[in-house]
Amino acid sequence: DTAVSQTPKYLVTQMGNDKSIKCEQNLGHDTMYWYKQDSKKFLKIMFSYNNKELIINETVPNRFSPKSPDKAHLNLHINSLELGDSAVYFCASSQQTQPHSPLHFGNGTRLTVT
Amino acid sequence: AQKITQTQPGMFVQEKEAVTLDCTYDTSDQSYGLFWYKQPSSGEMIFLIYQGSYDEQNATEGRYSLNFQKARKSANLVISASQLGDSAMYFCAMRGLAGSQGNLIFGKGTKLSVKP
Repeated sequence: DTAVSQTPKYLVTQMGNDKSIKCEQNLGHDTMYWYKQDSKKFLKIMFSYNNKELIINETVPNRFSPKSPDKAHLNLHINSLELGDSAVYFCASSQQTQPHSPLHFGNGTRLTVT
Repeated sequence: AQKITQTQPGMFVQEKEAVTLDCTYDTSDQSYGLFWYKQPSSGEMIFLIYQGSYDEQNATEGRYSLNFQKARKSANLVISASQLGDSAMYFCAMRGLAGSQGNLIFGKGTKLSVKP
């Protein structure tokens, strides 16, 4: 009964490929996020979705596109992968109506682009 | 703009001793929340403790307490009676109300190593 689950856990692919990472939460939260953690462990917001509408896009290249079929899912699609995309990607969720509630994170997807 | 600063890239502590991890923040929001997360070597992000900007008392959760000094804009994490399992990266984060849309801004983290 994992609260926020993302798949796959590891993803190894070649430059130029297109890949997707899936995320699902069963907490009933109405906001979901994607964060990128670089090799220096720095966590940076990429996207957030509230009630299926994009509300943040932090200068992420348009090769990255979030897709949310419903408020329990937020998938991340990446086109034309580059070496610099190698990182750990975390999905998270929160209840937007409770702005001081913590974000709940998935276990991360380690993407390696060769 | 909001900013979180963690000035200690790495810390060592002897098992069973207490340790303080520093965090300072900057925000123009009047209402905001401060969070600490733990990331062990296995990689998951674990929520530890929360402090609201209007909370008058410091937050505590088991062996974790937050030393909140609003005037100094600091929110240090105190871990009492350190255990070997406390060895991990620790991230301070902040979330405002105005315009942030619930986004958490993270510091660069502190790597804590507990020595037996």
